[in-house]
Amino acid sequence: AQKVTQAQTEISVVEKEDVTLDCVYETRDTTYYLFWYKQPPSGELVFLIRRNSFDEQNEISGRYSWNFQKSTSSFNFTITASQVVDSAVYFCALSPSIIQGAQKLVFGQGTRLTINP
Amino acid sequence: GAVVSQHPSRVICKSGTSVKIECRSLDFQATTMFWYRQFPKQSLMLMATSNEGSKATYEQGVEKDKFLINHASLTLSTLTVTSAHPEDSSFYICSAETQGDTQYFGPGTRLTVL
Repeated sequence: AQKVTQAQTEISVVEKEDVTLDCVYETRDTTYYLFWYKQPPSGELVFLIRRNSFDEQNEISGRYSWNFQKSTSSFNFTITASQVVDSAVYFCALSPSIIQGAQKLVFGQGTRLTINP
Repeated sequence: GAVVSQHPSRVICKSGTSVKIECRSLDFQATTMFWYRQFPKQSLMLMATSNEGSKATYEQGVEKDKFLINHASLTLSTLTVTSAHPEDSSFYICSAETQGDTQYFGPGTRLTVL
């Protein structure tokens, strides 16, 4: 069975602070994808990143960075110099490799991030 | 690119009526579409997976006769909540993907059943 755990239910920081959102996953698949999505108050899920299980390179995109560590089954997300617009619920998700067909996403419970001015 | 729309964005209906929600991929053809529901302050739960021209595959515990899914074309899937009751009130979100690609989500439909 697949499972994604986001232990941090809510995080609140002051603007310009760095913040890391944790994600730990469980899967028996040898190949899989990991995702992060952002859900602002409007409700729409915004795709942030997809990572293949074969690729453990960390990724940076502007103020966002992701740390994928297969040894600890973690895929953590860091926002540097946070801004009020970063306030949202962030979901980590897991899906099997595309070889197995349509990607059924398994979501974590989400972390509600509040950036205070 | 990769835009998914949903209609309506918000619907309020009386108990016992049926509600249809449309999900469209606007700029790509979606081989597969997914339907999720999300209760307040909770995560997304997959309800069903649908492929164009075939029957939807429902997740365990989801009543297929209550939540009718039709995937009429590569750009359109509909979810009909039949004989809706207050406990069906939720946020329904669809997503669409092409083979081997990422799921892109619609903006969601907030259903309130009185």
